[in-house]
Amino acid sequence: AQSVSQHNHHVILSEAASLELGCNYSYGGTVNLFWYVQYPGQHLQLLLKYFSGDPLVKGIKGFEAEFIKSKFSFNLRKPSVQWSDTAEYFCAVNGPPGGATNKLIFGTGTLLAVQP
Amino acid sequence: GAVVSQHPSWVICKSGTSVKIECRSLDFQATTMFWYRQFPKQSLMLMATSNEGSKATYEQGVEKDKFLINHASLTLSTLTVTSAHPEDSSFYICSAGRTASSYEQYFGPGTRLTVT
Repeated sequence: AQSVSQHNHHVILSEAASLELGCNYSYGGTVNLFWYVQYPGQHLQLLLKYFSGDPLVKGIKGFEAEFIKSKFSFNLRKPSVQWSDTAEYFCAVNGPPGGATNKLIFGTGTLLAVQP
Repeated sequence: GAVVSQHPSWVICKSGTSVKIECRSLDFQATTMFWYRQFPKQSLMLMATSNEGSKATYEQGVEKDKFLINHASLTLSTLTVTSAHPEDSSFYICSAGRTASSYEQYFGPGTRLTVT
């Protein structure tokens, strides 16, 4: 079954530092990949998604992610973080192929704290 | 667009009682809705998938008689936690997809359930 690993559980950065959050998935077939963000007290919001095409995907708020098929990875990056980026970040992959419901499998999340 | 609401946002109930949580898509029709459970410092775990007008599909290990899901219309799905126990205390999140084949889900703000 598909699984998603996020290696960094808790990241602390100073403002203007660069960010890279790791995400790896297990199943090597056709996948759709997502990064969601959950700001304190708010609901999950989509940051960016990859379905096909250019493996470098740009999302909202200056975030980008690169799909590397050979590494089963979809790491999230931002060149310069801001205090307002403090949130929890979830990587997600669509479920097993052939599934009629296109279930999302989530990673365990990475809590990012940006210090001013 | 693509706003999903949940009601209530927070509920406390006594052990043995039942609680109903509503999930509504406010500005689009949701063919498919998903219910997740999120424990503190853990990821979202899919509980079930519901398609409008048909029975929900439950994930392995989720008791369908305990977590009743109804998707009566294209804008409303409900989750009823029956005979709640303290171990059912959790954060319940719903999401909605525009079509059955859509990979993208829009998330509600979640409902915090506390069973005393």
